[in-house]
Amino acid sequence: DTGVSQDPRHKITKRGQNVTFRCDPISEHNRLYWYRQTLGQGPEFLTYFQNEAQLEKSRLLSDRFSAERPKGSFSTLEIQRTEQGDSAMYLCASSLAHHEELFFGEGSRLTVL
Amino acid sequence: AQSVTQLDSQVPVFEEAPVELRCNYSSSVSVYLFWYVQYPNQGLQLLLKYLSGSTLVKGINGFEAEFNKSQTSFHLRKPSVHISDTAEYFCAVSDRKTSQGNLIFGKGTKLSVKP
Repeated sequence: DTGVSQDPRHKITKRGQNVTFRCDPISEHNRLYWYRQTLGQGPEFLTYFQNEAQLEKSRLLSDRFSAERPKGSFSTLEIQRTEQGDSAMYLCASSLAHHEELFFGEGSRLTVL
Repeated sequence: AQSVTQLDSQVPVFEEAPVELRCNYSSSVSVYLFWYVQYPNQGLQLLLKYLSGSTLVKGINGFEAEFNKSQTSFHLRKPSVHISDTAEYFCAVSDRKTSQGNLIFGKGTKLSVKP
């Protein structure tokens, strides 16, 4: 399967713990995006990379959130000191630059107890 | 800034009936428009997109949408639905000028097709 893959698919953690999600984009895609989706809402943009450069961050991305794409391939999204409000589905997507279609992974669901 | 309003959170319909899922957007700039579908336990999948040209856009699985600039709408239609069309549908916009893939999504419409 050459689609966007995310790991883990599900994560249950206690409040205050740190969690990290990984996203492997489609191999030739140079853009990578992170979105968050909560129950009853559409996906909300968090941040995006072109190659290894993080070009835009949403105001939703508080200081406890950090995303990296060190070699311009896979990306990680870390949430420090998790809060119950962080419970959501974290979606990763990738695309080619200047192509409008985003290809989404199946998401990583976070539950903070 | 852009925003997207999907007017119906749930749409129940019988198999083989026509369906329209409504989407209105607000933007101070020109936009690209998209419809994505999310089947249970799957990722979002692009149904169709409007970038330029003909305002009637055809997508996968027999869906189509019409861009109406004066009404700032991009409603999704299918003349005859199947059980397999049961899913959640999201309308989205992006800024045509910046074109960075930062999509603004609506809250989604759950389409439930009954036999």
